[in-house]
Amino acid sequence: EAEVAQSPRYKITEKSQAVAFWCDPISGHATLYWYRQILGQGPELLVQFQDESVVDDSQLPKDRFSAERLKGVDSTLKIQPAELGDSAMYLCASSLVSYTEAFFGQGTRLTVV
Amino acid sequence: GENVEQHPSTLSVQEGDSAVIKCTYSDSASNYFPWYKQELGKRPQLIIDIRSNVGEKKDQRIAVTLNKTAKHFSLHITETQPEDSAVYFCAARNNAGGTSYGKLTFGQGTILTVHP
Repeated sequence: EAEVAQSPRYKITEKSQAVAFWCDPISGHATLYWYRQILGQGPELLVQFQDESVVDDSQLPKDRFSAERLKGVDSTLKIQPAELGDSAMYLCASSLVSYTEAFFGQGTRLTVV
Repeated sequence: GENVEQHPSTLSVQEGDSAVIKCTYSDSASNYFPWYKQELGKRPQLIIDIRSNVGEKKDQRIAVTLNKTAKHFSLHITETQPEDSAVYFCAARNNAGGTSYGKLTFGQGTILTVHP
């Protein structure tokens, strides 16, 4: 069964350092989402792509976060500089199109020390 | 934008009992309502979903009901089993078309514990 792949699974970084996460969606899925999940809360959308275009980044802290999906396939989410409050699970999801089921990856658990 | 409220935050039941989790949403244009189950350390997985053109959907021990007028929807699990223990999230999405790309907004989650 096809799955959304994310790496790394875990990342520990020091405050003010740069960190990057990678996501490979299910083949053929045009819509890709990056969510942040703080422990004990629901996932919060950071950015949504339709193919290579950003269609929603209203909740993305653009002073430190950036996301790209250059060829409309895999995607990278970057934080620079990382802050203590960025510690969370970063989940990537994809769907065939925006109105179909979203499939989640295993996530990257980020700890900023 | 959309706001989804989920209750209760924790729910403890005995094996065999029923469990009900409720969500309300704010955007009347939302028309797709999935429920996800997330076990400890694992990815959220879709367990059931409902679209706004139906009021109820059932899949074995799981059912979802939708009241569009009141803007709330509920997850019902019957004959609960210990393996149902997990965090459950509701979500709402608007697929109104045009420039809307269907942002999926999640509730805060419900920790369900089923005691043997």
